[in-house]
Amino acid sequence: EVQLVESGGGLIQPGGSLRLSCAASGFTVSSNYMSWVRQAPEKGLEWVSVIYSGGTTYYADSVKGRFTISRDNSKNTLYLQMNSLRAEDTAVYYCARSGGGYDSVDYWGQGTLVTVSS
Amino acid sequence: DIQMTQSPSSLSASVGDRVTITCRASQSIRTYLNWYQQKPGKAPKLLIYAASSLQSGVPSRFSGSGSGTDFTLTISSLQPEDFATYYCQQSYSTPRTFGQGTKVELK
Repeated sequence: EVQLVESGGGLIQPGGSLRLSCAASGFTVSSNYMSWVRQAPEKGLEWVSVIYSGGTTYYADSVKGRFTISRDNSKNTLYLQMNSLRAEDTAVYYCARSGGGYDSVDYWGQGTLVTVSS
Repeated sequence: DIQMTQSPSSLSASVGDRVTITCRASQSIRTYLNWYQQKPGKAPKLLIYAASSLQSGVPSRFSGSGSGTDFTLTISSLQPEDFATYYCQQSYSTPRTFGQGTKVELK
């Protein structure tokens, strides 16, 4: 059974750093296109970052230069390192696997809440 | 970046109604269009991929159509469990942008 379990969220002051983790089971992270998608309170979905199976990464302009997506193949885990956090980064962060047809997201984690506030 | 625009932003409907949601892309995305359903406090769920292909396990009252820039999600007979927010997403290019969402509420 495919499962994605995020962790690492919490309350952090502006300018601080946080690392989110997404532990995967039932499939191999390194063989799939994996993304982070976030949702600010009462707002819509926002694509944040992707890492392809070959290791290529992309970022939304809103996080470029501050966030880094990576994976640990030995732990079958996806990460999102978030630096220089701002209030507008406050959101639920979802880990997502694009294993469906036409790169659709067929599995999502339960989400982890990141709150950036002083 | 490709912009995705959904309409309407919200709608009120009754059980049994036929509901149609539209999604427009700022440039052609062929049929690289996916639809998701999200209920409060839950992760999104894939309904339709490739514009018109029904994800396994999704009821047949959901259907999708369109190509190029204009797409439609239709719920043929709205059920109580269908009251939720629906998002389109293009998977033609990176960033994989989402529409702003359409909230389907009980009339």
